[in-house]
Amino acid sequence: EDQVTQSPEALRLQEGESSSLNCSYTVSGLRGLFWYRQDPGKGPEFLFTLYSAGEEKEKERLKATLTKKESFLHITAPKPEDSATYLCAVLPGAGNTGKLIFGQGTTLQVKP
Amino acid sequence: DAGVIQSPRHEVTEMGQEVTLRCKPISGHNSLFWYRQTMMRGLELLIYFNNNVPIDDSGMPEDRFSAKMPNASFSTLKIQPSEPRDSAVYFCASRNRERGLNQPQHFGDGTRLSIL
Repeated sequence: EDQVTQSPEALRLQEGESSSLNCSYTVSGLRGLFWYRQDPGKGPEFLFTLYSAGEEKEKERLKATLTKKESFLHITAPKPEDSATYLCAVLPGAGNTGKLIFGQGTTLQVKP
Repeated sequence: DAGVIQSPRHEVTEMGQEVTLRCKPISGHNSLFWYRQTMMRGLELLIYFNNNVPIDDSGMPEDRFSAKMPNASFSTLKIQPSEPRDSAVYFCASRNRERGLNQPQHFGDGTRLSIL
């Protein structure tokens, strides 16, 4: 069964304290892995797509990496405005018509 | 460019009433998804459409839920009759499938539904 697990569930950081969020997955083939950011009262906002092991994408203080079994979202010198819930989702391969499998998310709080 | 537009943003109604949620996808997107989000279960896919045709409705909880997409720019999710356990945030998302299945989905800001 296709599955996505994110850890930790919650993370508190001081401003400037770098850390990483983990997304582990088991899927029948991987067509893509997506990272989203969700602010309270808002819908998930697309951040990155990763397609193959070894790929990396960066945006401001965020960098996403991908291996064959997991993805990391590295946050360098975070600021309070980076506080949000970060969601990971995978698009399985063969036989799938576009249905994403989402993890439960990691809620990040960055204190000034 | 306008994003995915959902209405209403909030809905409070009594058990047994019919509820209709509305979604306007991003212009040019030809896949549309309805999700439900709760603290306990996270984001769950209810149903999705490609080119206005329902492809997978296996996530629809029961017959009380129905969804339609009469044209490329409008979709509804209806609950009749509503029950307190249907209380959740309902999201609509769209995607440009023409560029490939691995294109990202873009979400609206959701409808927060409370059934009393």
